[in-house]
Amino acid sequence: QVQLVESGGGLVKPGGSLRLSCAASGFTFSDYYMSWIRQAPGKGLEWVSYISSSSSYTNYADSVKGRFTISRDNAKNSLYLQMNSLRAEDTAVYYCARDRRWNDPYFDYWGQGTLVTVSS
Amino acid sequence: QSVLTQPPSASGTPGQRVTISCSGSSSNIGSNTVNWYQQLPGTAPKLLIYSNNQRPSGVPDRFSGSKSGTSASLAISGLQSEDEADYYCAAWDDSLNRGVFGGGTKLTVL
Repeated sequence: QVQLVESGGGLVKPGGSLRLSCAASGFTFSDYYMSWIRQAPGKGLEWVSYISSSSSYTNYADSVKGRFTISRDNAKNSLYLQMNSLRAEDTAVYYCARDRRWNDPYFDYWGQGTLVTVSS
Repeated sequence: QSVLTQPPSASGTPGQRVTISCSGSSSNIGSNTVNWYQQLPGTAPKLLIYSNNQRPSGVPDRFSGSKSGTSASLAISGLQSEDEADYYCAAWDDSLNRGVFGGGTKLTVL
């Protein structure tokens, strides 16, 4: 069965960095686009970034552009999100999700999420 | 302020039919398909409806989606207590060049 397991969240000071990972199993990871979506405490969902199956194309929300970098390692069935220059407003649960269609927020599987807290 | 507009709350009694609206614009719902997600308390979102009105396998046919112009709707018939959750609509926005979500609707089963 399809499984997505995020890790790497935690408490970090403003201006700090964190790298999230998402381990995928149960499907051919290299066949699918992948995305990161976040949810601030008590708030709604916000799409953060996505990456094409071969890493040739990436896209970012304006709120994270220039600070976050999405990447993947198809040999390791893993998705990553490098987060730099973190701000308090980046505090959220970060979900990785399998993306079924390009340019369409059609996420058929989600991980359980990892909490990132940015605070001094 | 979300790009897609949903009512913050909705409610119904068991067995009732409830609809949740999602309003957008020509750059998102007006030109792209809509997906719906259900988020039960304390859990990750789950795909409920894709491509406006398609149900993934395992989703009961009590859930249905529709789209007209720049608006979409999620209907839940035969409401059950386990349907109490947050519901989000989502679509691609051609102007913003990214996926956008509605603010979410909290459904309460009275």
